[in-house]
Amino acid sequence: KAGVTQTPRYLIKTRGQQVTLSCSPISGHRSVSWYQQTPGQGLQFLFEYFSETQRNKGNFPGRFSGRQFSNSRSEMNVSTLELGDSALYLCASRRGAGDYGYTFGSGTRLTVV
Amino acid sequence: AQTVTQSQPEMSVQEAETVTLSCTYDTSENNYYLFWYKQPPSRQMILVIRQEAYKQQNATENRFSVNFQKAAKSFSLKISDSQLGDTAMYFCAFMKHDSSYKLIFGSGTRLLVRP
Repeated sequence: KAGVTQTPRYLIKTRGQQVTLSCSPISGHRSVSWYQQTPGQGLQFLFEYFSETQRNKGNFPGRFSGRQFSNSRSEMNVSTLELGDSALYLCASRRGAGDYGYTFGSGTRLTVV
Repeated sequence: AQTVTQSQPEMSVQEAETVTLSCTYDTSENNYYLFWYKQPPSRQMILVIRQEAYKQQNATENRFSVNFQKAAKSFSLKISDSQLGDTAMYFCAFMKHDSSYKLIFGSGTRLLVRP
């Protein structure tokens, strides 16, 4: 079966712009989580969506937002980009309640210049 | 708050040898999960092995095994018969057994397997 698909794989944006990243979970998985990976801060939890509802949010500013659609696909949006937003953004999916096993995608590498 | 510490930023091992990666964590929870993830240059985070805290028996997956010491809050990964394809970043992660489903990661250990 297909894995977690993230698009695009690479992205270069200018400071002040906004960006939208996409994540398609494994078929049948209803939960999608997002993580930011940087050399300085490591891997940090952004948010989790389950059945189109945000269930949990990490300690990030309001410029970071997301949503989940009825087919479980998720998008993450970052507005007013800052240089410090340059990172690898990883998406992970799992089936649902009681399933503690996440499957990750290959990430989107965002560079802000 | 929970924290995960990996004290070895880099490690190196000869092909076919055995290597152990260390991980300690801090939590007041009694029920939780621990994971080891591998991140090769392809960037995808791949689950290597998982341990439920309520299970005393150490998890094993082929060449990968863990030494879970709950009282010491230690969770080390042993890789036997190391292969070149094991070269990657390895992350230890913690998850509470609740509805948050949030992974807390350590800073990672870069493992190089030498031919």
